[in-house]
Amino acid sequence: EAGVAQSPRYKIIEKRQSVAFWCNPISGHATLYWYQQILGQGPKLLIQFQNNGVVDDSQLPKDRFSAERLKGVDSTLKIQPAKLEDSAVYLCASSLEGGVLEKLFFGSGTQLSVL
Amino acid sequence: AQSVTQLGSHVSVSEGALVLLRCNYSSSVPPYLFWYVQYPNQGLQLLLKYTSAATLVKGINGFEAEFKKSETSFHLTKPSAHMSDAAEYFCAVSDVNDKLIFGTGTRLQVFP
Repeated sequence: EAGVAQSPRYKIIEKRQSVAFWCNPISGHATLYWYQQILGQGPKLLIQFQNNGVVDDSQLPKDRFSAERLKGVDSTLKIQPAKLEDSAVYLCASSLEGGVLEKLFFGSGTQLSVL
Repeated sequence: AQSVTQLGSHVSVSEGALVLLRCNYSSSVPPYLFWYVQYPNQGLQLLLKYTSAATLVKGINGFEAEFKKSETSFHLTKPSAHMSDAAEYFCAVSDVNDKLIFGTGTRLQVFP
């Protein structure tokens, strides 16, 4: 089966610019996650969707980050304006129904460098 | 808040040697614990998970982990390392809100 698709693979921007990442989860997966993985740290959950509704966005810096999942399938994560500390790998993951015991399938991530 | 600590950001072993990656958790209630592996330029893959059944959990690719409540540990082991095991390994714990909390990762290098 096809995995979780993410694009772009790499992105380099200057601070204060905006950037958007795209994720296409595995077909039929209701739950979609965005994680931020800063170099030397483990992934940190930014936002979790169940279908097209937000389940948890408590860790999302809402003053600059936004995410949407229209029609409960693809999702985009946007940063505007970007800061130097946003440099990280942004991982998208999906699962059938959600819940920590569900197996998560991760994409390869988008590596963002903010200069 | 729940957390995991992975001791050693880098571990190097020779091919055929024992792999031991350490993970300690902090939790006031019985946790769910996980090990994920991340190969270069790939996403994370689930190796194994502990859900309060058997304390010795077997995963994919010959890895296993033992839950030791007395030591609050969930170390990952493999009897004989293979070159293809070179990757980054993450221990994770679920919190009360059903979210995964990841450790900082251990990079495993395997030398021929």
